[in-house]
Amino acid sequence: QVQLVQSGAEVKKPGASVKVSCKVSGYTLTELSMHWVRQAPGKGLEWMGGFDPEDGETIYAQKFQGRVTMTEDTSTDTAYMELSSLRSEDTAVYYCATRAAGTAFDIWGQGTMVTVSS
Amino acid sequence: SYELTQPLSVSVALGQTARITCGGNNIGSKNVHWYQQKPGQAPVLVIYRDSNRPSGIPERFSGSNSGNTATLTISRAQAGDEADYYCQVWDSSTAGVFGGGTKLTVL
Repeated sequence: QVQLVQSGAEVKKPGASVKVSCKVSGYTLTELSMHWVRQAPGKGLEWMGGFDPEDGETIYAQKFQGRVTMTEDTSTDTAYMELSSLRSEDTAVYYCATRAAGTAFDIWGQGTMVTVSS
Repeated sequence: SYELTQPLSVSVALGQTARITCGGNNIGSKNVHWYQQKPGQAPVLVIYRDSNRPSGIPERFSGSNSGNTATLTISRAQAGDEADYYCQVWDSSTAGVFGGGTKLTVL
């Protein structure tokens, strides 16, 4: 059974960067396609990007291109999402989620609240 | 870019059937997935590939997809089904796309 445990809440100033981690247990990270989804307060879900096993590359939503970097440490089975040049609109809960082969986001982390405030 | 349209809210009487729609251009040609999200919790997958239930999801949850509309149906609605529901597809140009979400109220 796959479990995803994310790092704790963060408070950042505008212009700073944040790096959220997602630790995998029950599987190895190389067996999974990890994605990141965020949710602003009172708003819907927004896909940010993730690993595409068909291409072997990480793909990003156009909205976040140039500002987001998703990496993986296979030695610790931990995935990371770093978002730079933070602004107040980036205040949200950030989720990691695994995408089963060509289909849905089947397992989700518990979420990490990131607050951007001066 | 590909867009999915959901009603903001749906109400259903206790024990009756709720239907939540998800509209998109020729969505019938795509695999549609549905997620349930309760307040303060992470989303949970309830239907994948239009009509398949993950293990642990009650048979009361079903899905269909044809033409320009996909539908999540919740039979014999219970108080515990109150939540936000999101549809989602994978689009060749936009990649991961979520609908705006529907708040289900059980009366």
